[in-house]
Amino acid sequence: DTGVSQDPRHKITKRGQNVTFRCDPISEHNRLYWYRQTLGQGPEFLTYFQNEAQLEKSRLLSDRFSAERPKGSFSTLEIQRTEQGDSAMYLCASSSWMWATDTQYFGPGTRLTVL
Amino acid sequence: AQKVTQAQTEISVVEKEDVTLDCVYETRDTTYYLFWYKQPPSGELVFLIRRNSFDEQNEISGRYSWNFQKSTSSFNFTITASQVVDSAVYFCALPSFGAGGTSYGKLTFGQGTILTVHP
Repeated sequence: DTGVSQDPRHKITKRGQNVTFRCDPISEHNRLYWYRQTLGQGPEFLTYFQNEAQLEKSRLLSDRFSAERPKGSFSTLEIQRTEQGDSAMYLCASSSWMWATDTQYFGPGTRLTVL
Repeated sequence: AQKVTQAQTEISVVEKEDVTLDCVYETRDTTYYLFWYKQPPSGELVFLIRRNSFDEQNEISGRYSWNFQKSTSSFNFTITASQVVDSAVYFCALPSFGAGGTSYGKLTFGQGTILTVHP
């Protein structure tokens, strides 16, 4: 059983450019989460999906951010018109939610540097 | 709102020492879950343990043990006979009831405790 994978692992971009990250969850996991982690801090929730439906978005997710999970499998997170403040590690997690709560398993992350 | 506090920013121990990581949480939920994750230098968050609030029995799993006390809202994690490979950042996390109120979803993390185990 392969774990959560994320692509790319590192991304360097110039301010104002658009970037897109991909997350492939553990097979058959119905939930997929996105978090952002800056240096020295714990991860902060951005958004999550149950199958194709986006169930919750954080107020951290400005209108420059958009996430999709077509067909309930992989997910993409796009940041438009990147700013230096977007530099962070973007983490994806997946889980198999059946009752009450779930255990989230994390991928290796995508480290974004905005110059 | 959920809140998790890990007051210890950094801990340094020598191999084979026992080390306890503190976690204090705030929640209005009457039932809830708590998690510990480990983030080694490679960066990937690794799930360690999950406990629910209606079971305060403390447990041991190998070199790991945890002490859950609802009365003080604490969920402490102990590593016995620490090893160099235990060096990592450790996060305590608390899930929030998701939008629509049907289940828990997003995790609220503490700021993490950096554990360094010296040989």
